[in-house]
Amino acid sequence: DAGVIQSPRHEVTEMGQEVTLRCKPISGHNSLFWYRQTMMRGLELLIYFNNNVPIDDSGMPEDRFSAKMPNASFSTLKIQPSEPRDSAVYFCASSYDPGTGNTIYFGEGSWLTVV
Amino acid sequence: AQSVTQLGSHVSVSEGALVLLRCNYSSSVPPYLFWYVQYPNQGLQLLLKYTSAATLVKGINGFEAEFKKSETSFHLTKPSAHMSDAAEYFCAVSRGNTGKLIFGQGTTLQVKP
Repeated sequence: DAGVIQSPRHEVTEMGQEVTLRCKPISGHNSLFWYRQTMMRGLELLIYFNNNVPIDDSGMPEDRFSAKMPNASFSTLKIQPSEPRDSAVYFCASSYDPGTGNTIYFGEGSWLTVV
Repeated sequence: AQSVTQLGSHVSVSEGALVLLRCNYSSSVPPYLFWYVQYPNQGLQLLLKYTSAATLVKGINGFEAEFKKSETSFHLTKPSAHMSDAAEYFCAVSRGNTGKLIFGQGTTLQVKP
């Protein structure tokens, strides 16, 4: 079975440019998460979708970040404009009814460097 | 609010030795607890989880963990370390409708030959 698929795997961009990260969750999952991993802050939850609806975006750092889930099989995380402090690994994860203890599956991550 | 504390950001063991990675949690309700492993340049992979069934949980690659409510702990163990166990390990807690994971800061396991 295909796992959570993220693209691009690696991206290097210049400060001020728009960055779009993409995610395809596991088929049949109804919950999707975006996490960010940095050395300083560890793994932080950015936003959580349930049935394609954003439920909790309290972790989104600022208005430069936005996320969408137009359908059950696709989500994007956009940073506009990007800044060097946005350099991090961004993980997408999905699950079916994770509130019951079901496993949350992670993608391989998108490694973003903003120069 | 829920939180997780992993004691020791770096743990070094010899190949064949016992692995013990410590995790303590804080939760106002019975939690779900997870251990994930991250190999270099890869995503997170579930090792094992506790969801209020048996308190001793067995996972992949010979790892196991015991939920101890009185100690609010969920330590990860493996009787004999292998070189391939070198990775970063994350303990996480969740509870509530969303199931969102709150992660500890991670422990890097080094295995020496």
